[in-house]
Amino acid sequence: EAGVAQSPRYKIIEKRQSVAFWCNPISGHATLYWYQQILGQGPKLLIQFQNNGVVDDSQLPKDRFSAERLKGVDSTLKIQPAKLEDSAVYLCASSPRGLSTGELFFGEGSRLTVL
Amino acid sequence: DAKTTQPPSMDCAEGRAANLPCNHSTISGNEYVYWYRQIHSQGPQYIIHGLKNNETNEMASLIITEDRKSSTLILPHATLRDTAVYYCIGLPAGTYKYIFGTGTRLKVLA
Repeated sequence: EAGVAQSPRYKIIEKRQSVAFWCNPISGHATLYWYQQILGQGPKLLIQFQNNGVVDDSQLPKDRFSAERLKGVDSTLKIQPAKLEDSAVYLCASSPRGLSTGELFFGEGSRLTVL
Repeated sequence: DAKTTQPPSMDCAEGRAANLPCNHSTISGNEYVYWYRQIHSQGPQYIIHGLKNNETNEMASLIITEDRKSSTLILPHATLRDTAVYYCIGLPAGTYKYIFGTGTRLKVLA
């Protein structure tokens, strides 16, 4: 079974530029998450989708971050304009909602460096 | 959601059991306890979860106290590959909003 795919793995940009990250979840997984992980900290939930609808985006800095999940499959996370403090690893995870375990499956992440 | 407290770091000798504690004194009756681990430069990986009873799988055992205020993740025979950050999470039944803390950094020593 293919895992959660993310791209790009690494991205370096200057502040005020824009960047987009892409996530392809495991086939059939209804729930998709984006997390931000700053060095030395645990992952912080940014947004949670159920199919193509937003379940929770309370921690998403909406003035600069946006995310969408078209057709309930792939998802993109965009940052515009980027700030220095956005340097982090952006993790995508998916879950087969409806199963008892509620286990999350994570991708390898996209590492963003803002200069 | 239950707030969980974990020690920031622990060491364990290779081949010995690693016992990672988690305090979740505010856990409610329908909140599961989940454990994930994150090996360097990888995404977190699910280990095990439980509600009231002790649980065991191929990776680890989970011991939950009778009052459910704390739990212990046990890696029975730690290897160098178990060096990672371990996260304990309280998750209400029927929800899927995982909130990660800072976890315990386990170092397995040769």
